[in-house]
Amino acid sequence: DSGVTQTPKHLITATGQRVTLRCSPRSGDLSVYWYQQSLDQGLQFLIQYYNGEERAKGNILERFSAQQFPDLHSELNLSSLELGDSALYFCASSRTSYDTQYFGPGTRLTVL
Amino acid sequence: QKEVEQDPGPLSVPEGAIVSLNCTYSNSAFQYFMWYRQYSRKGPELLMYTYSSGNKEDGRFTAQVDKSSKYISLFIRDSQPSDSATYLCAIQPPAGGTSYGKLTFGQGTILTVHP
Repeated sequence: DSGVTQTPKHLITATGQRVTLRCSPRSGDLSVYWYQQSLDQGLQFLIQYYNGEERAKGNILERFSAQQFPDLHSELNLSSLELGDSALYFCASSRTSYDTQYFGPGTRLTVL
Repeated sequence: QKEVEQDPGPLSVPEGAIVSLNCTYSNSAFQYFMWYRQYSRKGPELLMYTYSSGNKEDGRFTAQVDKSSKYISLFIRDSQPSDSATYLCAIQPPAGGTSYGKLTFGQGTILTVHP
């Protein structure tokens, strides 16, 4: 158990809908990362927050947004969902931007 | 050109074999190299972390970085069925840049160790 928690574990929804994925980092970690894992693209970095502020952005779609709250938990919002958004979404956390990243168990999103 | 290339396998070996997993990367500025292991339906977990060139050993695992050829390797000695998983190499940009903690992963190599 990495200490990073993610909810929900599974999410099944329809195209066009909006969902929110939640992540609680390890105690003491200030940085949170979101990654998407699909069969064709592999594990891809989406976005990083550090102590509430956005720090780095990857190939995150405009339909996706994220934030990190004062208690350091983070949410990833996915809207206008498409079939191709079906994937595993992982959250990771680290003490600072250059410490080891610990991954959560992931949220499996299925868009029908 | 992808920043990190990794042979996806799959790789199937008998128990006790030596396993060699490899990645190449394109940007010589990268200095931090990692290997993650991912079991089915689980999140990736860090196995090895190396900085710059050289070897690092941890039990049955050895990570090797050759910066001159932009090549990173993971060796598993005396492989066990419990080593069956997907192995992902990852690179991290140097400190001070705008990419901060972003990890770039290889495609992952699926390894099966059969008894």
